Amino acid sequence: ELKVEQNPLFLSMQEGKNYTIYCNYSTTSDRLYWYRQDPGKSLESLFVLLSNGAVKQEGRLMASLDTKARLSTLHITAAVHDLSATYFCAGAKAGNNRKLIWGLGTSLAVNP
Amino acid sequence: DAMVIQNPRYQVTQFGKPVTLSCSQTLNHNVMYWYQQKSSQAPKLLFHYYDKDFNNEADTPDNFQSRRPNTSFCFLDIRSPGLGDAAMYLCATSRGQGSGADTQYFGPGTRLTVL
Repeated sequence: ELKVEQNPLFLSMQEGKNYTIYCNYSTTSDRLYWYRQDPGKSLESLFVLLSNGAVKQEGRLMASLDTKARLSTLHITAAVHDLSATYFCAGAKAGNNRKLIWGLGTSLAVNP
Repeated sequence: DAMVIQNPRYQVTQFGKPVTLSCSQTLNHNVMYWYQQKSSQAPKLLFHYYDKDFNNEADTPDNFQSRRPNTSFCFLDIRSPGLGDAAMYLCATSRGQGSGADTQYFGPGTRLTVL
């Protein structure tokens, strides 16, 4: 059964610093998603990673996937306050792409 | 712009009084999902439709029902809301066919309060 674990669950960082959020999954996953959620708001799709070695970047966020290590990372470069949000990773069960298995989320606070 | 719309955005109901939440989409996606999300938790899938085929999660209480009368609309019915059903309810859609990413696109959510 696919399980997804994120760490850290809480992250407080200063503006301008770099940091990485980790997402480990337990068994084969066809794809790995990253979502952002602002407080009280809905989920916004950030990235979908389909294959080993996939890397995607949008602004200060870069996501990567290592299927051999069953690990995805979300790297934050030179954080700004606007990046404060909760970030979820989710895996799709092999052969059942419609159901996502979610991590618990990482609550990120970027402080001046 | 193509989008997922949920109504109402905020719903207050009384304990035990049935409530219906609405979701519509202009993406022409085959799959529609209903999630429940409580504070500081990950979204929890309640059920989804692939076209007209209904797929219930094993741990979704019988109190929760869904209808999808056509491709564009999907409804969540809570027959007898309890205090524990207070949450954000999120509707999402995905293409559901073809190779490649099957990203789920979320609506803005309906925040349900049970008094």
